[in-house]
This record gives sequence, structure tokens and C-alpha cells, in this order.
Amino acid sequence: NAGVTQTPKFQVLKTGQSMTLQCAQDMNHEYMSWYRQDPGMGLRLIHYSVGAGITDQGEVPNGYNVSRSTTEDFPLRLLSAAPSQTSVYFCASSFPLSGDIRYGYTFGSGTRLTVV
Amino acid sequence: GENVEQHPSTLSVQEGDSAVIKCTYSDSASNYFPWYKQELGKRPQLIIDIRSNVGEKKDQRIAVTLNKTAKHFSLHITETQPEDSAVYFCAASKGQGGKLIFGQGTELSVKP
Repeated sequence: NAGVTQTPKFQVLKTGQSMTLQCAQDMNHEYMSWYRQDPGMGLRLIHYSVGAGITDQGEVPNGYNVSRSTTEDFPLRLLSAAPSQTSVYFCASSFPLSGDIRYGYTFGSGTRLTVV
Repeated sequence: GENVEQHPSTLSVQEGDSAVIKCTYSDSASNYFPWYKQELGKRPQLIIDIRSNVGEKKDQRIAVTLNKTAKHFSLHITETQPEDSAVYFCAASKGQGGKLIFGQGTELSVKP
């Protein structure tokens, strides 16, 4: 049971390049989300999914695409990288809340992305 | 949309003192309020959470209180230790929707 796995851990892109950040979880979680973390701004939600085939926008979706073809995987695509997308990206997953069972989000280890 | 405000942004306490971090949320339909701790260079880790059907929850030195009327909730850490030094985030969610919105974070420093 690896939890939430993100790849790569580090990436440098040139402005205009595209890339996909990978996220996989082996806990059969329904909920998955992508956040970006910038100094002084906390964790801002980019996109999220409540199940396979269902995605929705978060607080800062512009410049990013997602898809959820399987329960396990939730890749984040940068279409045309910009310096403003330099950040640390976290993927997280969770079960839906149910009764008294504690179901917080489990985070991956993060991807540090630099766009030059 | 949902907004979560967190204060203070930085907090410095002496070892053994208590620390309190406060958050307010905008969406009255929010019903799940977790707190995360993030150490430098690491991922956020869930430390405690509370549902809207209770007003307070404790776990050893950590407690969270919720005031639904005022739409604010707080994290209380008693008998602070140097290893409590980290950035703490509050968050709010409507529960079933899967969308979790975070506050801006509080950098807690516990001085020996």
C-alpha cells in the first residue's frame, strides 16, 4: 500500500512547454484533488474529482487540465507552461465522509515545478 | 465561492505555553473542518478534524472548537514543544462534495 504517489518530484520547464504531473493512489479513494502551494498563499485548489469520469474546477483552474479515467489515476496537465505556474503541486485523495469515520485527505509528497 | 481566512500568519510562543490559531469560513453549508500540519519540505499531514454536529474535539494536547453561528473554528495546542514548530492549515468542506478549501496557513515557532 503506497498511498498517494506523485511523479516527478522535481521538474524544470521552459515557457510554452507542456507536461503532465502524475498522481496515483492505491487506497480505492473516490475523491482526488490537485493543489498548488505558493509562499504566503496556502494550498489553493486547482481541480478535483469525486469519482471516475467526474471532474470539476477549483479556485485556480486556468492553464491546467485534468481527467479521471480510472479510480486510481488523476493526472494534471499543463498546456503551455508559464513562469506564474512555478509552484509546489500536491495531489491528495480521500474517501467520502461517512458517519463518524474520520476521512481526511491523504497528500502525496509533492512535485516542485520551476518554469523558466 | 467558499473562502477560508486564517489568523495569525505567524505565531511565536515559548515552550510550554499554549498556541491558538483561528479560522473563519464563508459558506454556512460547510460541515467538515480539518487541520493539517506541514513541516518544512514535507507534505501536509492531518492532525485533527471536526464535524459540524459537535462543538469541540480533543486529542491529547490538541483541541479544535467550532462556532457554527459565527462561522469560525480554532485550533488549540497546549504545553507546546519545539517539535510543534511547523505551518498549520485549517480547511473547510461541505463533506460529500469532495472540495476542500484551505486557509492561508500559520507558521508556528516554539522557542525552547
